[in-house]
Amino acid sequence: DTEVTQTPKHLVMGMTNKKSLKCEQHMGHRAMYWYKQKAKKPPELMFVYSYEKLSINESVPSRFSPECPNSSLLNLHLHALQPEDSALYLCASSQDMGTGVGNQPQHFGDGTRLSIL
Amino acid sequence: AQKITQTQPGMFVQEKEAVTLDCTYDTSDPSYGLFWYKQPSSGEMIFLIYQGSYDQQNATEGRYSLNFQKARKSANLVISASQLGDSAMYFCAMRELNSGGSNYKLTFGKGTLLTVNP
Repeated sequence: DTEVTQTPKHLVMGMTNKKSLKCEQHMGHRAMYWYKQKAKKPPELMFVYSYEKLSINESVPSRFSPECPNSSLLNLHLHALQPEDSALYLCASSQDMGTGVGNQPQHFGDGTRLSIL
Repeated sequence: AQKITQTQPGMFVQEKEAVTLDCTYDTSDPSYGLFWYKQPSSGEMIFLIYQGSYDQQNATEGRYSLNFQKARKSANLVISASQLGDSAMYFCAMRELNSGGSNYKLTFGKGTLLTVNP
């Protein structure tokens, strides 16, 4: 079982809907990430939170809005998405953002498969 | 130029045999980490193994080992005694540790789809 839990596993929504993806980890990690992955492609980084503050936004459209209510939770709020936003959305966490040398793998959840109608 | 190159889009192996998945990387940073992840069709990215640029020995984790050839900038994953459950997409990734504000970033290769045949 993965130590990063994502809900829901599947989501179908219309372009005018508002929905949220949720991610939870209890490993005491202080960095959390959102990735978008299209079929047969590697994951693409969207956002990085470090110590509950947004550190990195990889030029993601504003229809995606991340939120980190506490050190264990990460949300991704969705509004007015486009069909091309259909993808697997992966959440990950690591001990921190990775200062210094060392093995700090990112641990991923199962992902949410999002389909936009 | 690609930082991580996985030249094998697909690989086939017979159950119980060993298989090598290739990964080459490009960096001028002396401090970096190399990771391999497995992604089954269910979607989860599973961390398999890590190799640091200063590590003297090749990393091993159970049936997984990393053939690290620093001068050639290659970090091939070797899976011994393949099992049907090893069928998945495998991604090689790198984190450059002296890239200033970007040292958090994992750069992924395009992946290799491994199929284990019974």
